[in-house]
Amino acid sequence: SQKIEQNSEALNIQEGKTATLTCNYTNYSPAYLQWYRQDPGRGPVFLLLIRENEKEKRKERLKVTFDTTLKQSLFHITASQPADSATYLCALGQSGGYNKLIFGAGTRLAVHP
Amino acid sequence: GAVVSQHPSWVICKSGTSVKIECRSLDFQATTMFWYRQFPKQSLMLMATSNEGSKATYEQGVEKDKFLINHASLTLSTLTVTSAHPEDSSFYICSASQTGGYTEAFFGQGTRLTVV
Repeated sequence: SQKIEQNSEALNIQEGKTATLTCNYTNYSPAYLQWYRQDPGRGPVFLLLIRENEKEKRKERLKVTFDTTLKQSLFHITASQPADSATYLCALGQSGGYNKLIFGAGTRLAVHP
Repeated sequence: GAVVSQHPSWVICKSGTSVKIECRSLDFQATTMFWYRQFPKQSLMLMATSNEGSKATYEQGVEKDKFLINHASLTLSTLTVTSAHPEDSSFYICSASQTGGYTEAFFGQGTRLTVV
């Protein structure tokens, strides 16, 4: 069955460092992959989208890579700030699916001053 | 950016009663919306695809008679949890996109349902 795995343990880092979050998937061939941020008791907020034919995407302090051979995406936040503390979700989508997304469980990031 | 509004943000109901949750796309039309539920520290689990003017498509294991979905207009989808039980207590979230795939999804604020 389809499976999406993200680091289940919380990631604790110092302010200013780079946070790297991992998303691995099996039994799935996504056309694109997205990363979302979720704060407690709130709906997810979109961060980045990367297509299957793209290796890397950047947006300000965010960078995402996508390796379809390894079936893995890495999400980086550079110069992290306490305000970046949240849960980060990866989501996979297929073409023609009207953005029907399958989510991983998320990784909680805590950035300490 | 586009906004999806969900109402209510929280609701407490008694076992056996029904609860309706609304999901509206405020500044765009959405022929397709999605409903998810989320348990604490767990993934968003896709429940169903809501299609404007037609029946919803439910994911495997989701009871369609228990979770009634109506998508009566291009800006409104509703999820009704019928004969609610404590195990239905969860966080329910809807999403919509302005176009098809390859684009960001906009999520509602979520509804915390507690069945007592």
